[in-house]
Amino acid sequence: EVQLVESGGGLVQPGGSLRLSCAASGFTFSSYAMTWVRQAPGKGLEWISAISGSGGAAYYPDSVKGRFTISRDNSKNTLFLQMNSLRAEDTGIYYCAKVLGRAVAGKPIDYWGQGTLVTVSS
Amino acid sequence: DILMTQSPSSLSASVGDRVTITCRASQTISTYLNWYQQRPGKAPKLLMFDASTLQSGVPSRFSGSGSGTDFTLTISSLQPEDFATYYCQQTYSTPYSFGQGTKLELK
Repeated sequence: EVQLVESGGGLVQPGGSLRLSCAASGFTFSSYAMTWVRQAPGKGLEWISAISGSGGAAYYPDSVKGRFTISRDNSKNTLFLQMNSLRAEDTGIYYCAKVLGRAVAGKPIDYWGQGTLVTVSS
Repeated sequence: DILMTQSPSSLSASVGDRVTITCRASQTISTYLNWYQQRPGKAPKLLMFDASTLQSGVPSRFSGSGSGTDFTLTISSLQPEDFATYYCQQTYSTPYSFGQGTKLELK
């Protein structure tokens, strides 16, 4: 059974940093691309980063490019999201998710974690 | 960036109804279109990918169609568990944008 368990969320001040982790199990982690999707309170879904199975390719939207870094440790079946220069608009639930394929391109998300809440506020 | 627009934003229907949700892309995305269902307080769930391929385990009352810029998700006979919010997503080019969502409510 595929399981994705996020951790590392919490309250952080504007301009601060936070590192999210996602422990994966139930599948061959290095064979699949992974992604992070966030959801602001009461709002829709926003794709915020993706990384290939090998970790050699990463992608971001302009809204987080230069502030967020996705990475993975295939030896520990763990996905990370380093978030710097956080803003109030970064507040929301952050979902770790598995992509249906080794490469990021063209593939849907087939499994989601339950999410971790990040609140950016003074 | 590709903008995804869903219609309607909300929809009231009854158990047994047939409903259709539309998703339009701001430029052609071939069939790189996915549909997700999200129940309150839960993570989204994949229903359909490549516009019309049903994800394993999803009931056959769900169907998808379309290519290019216009896509639809149809639920042939609504069941109580189908009242949720539905999102389309394009995976044609990054950033992989989602539609704003369609909230399906019980009439």
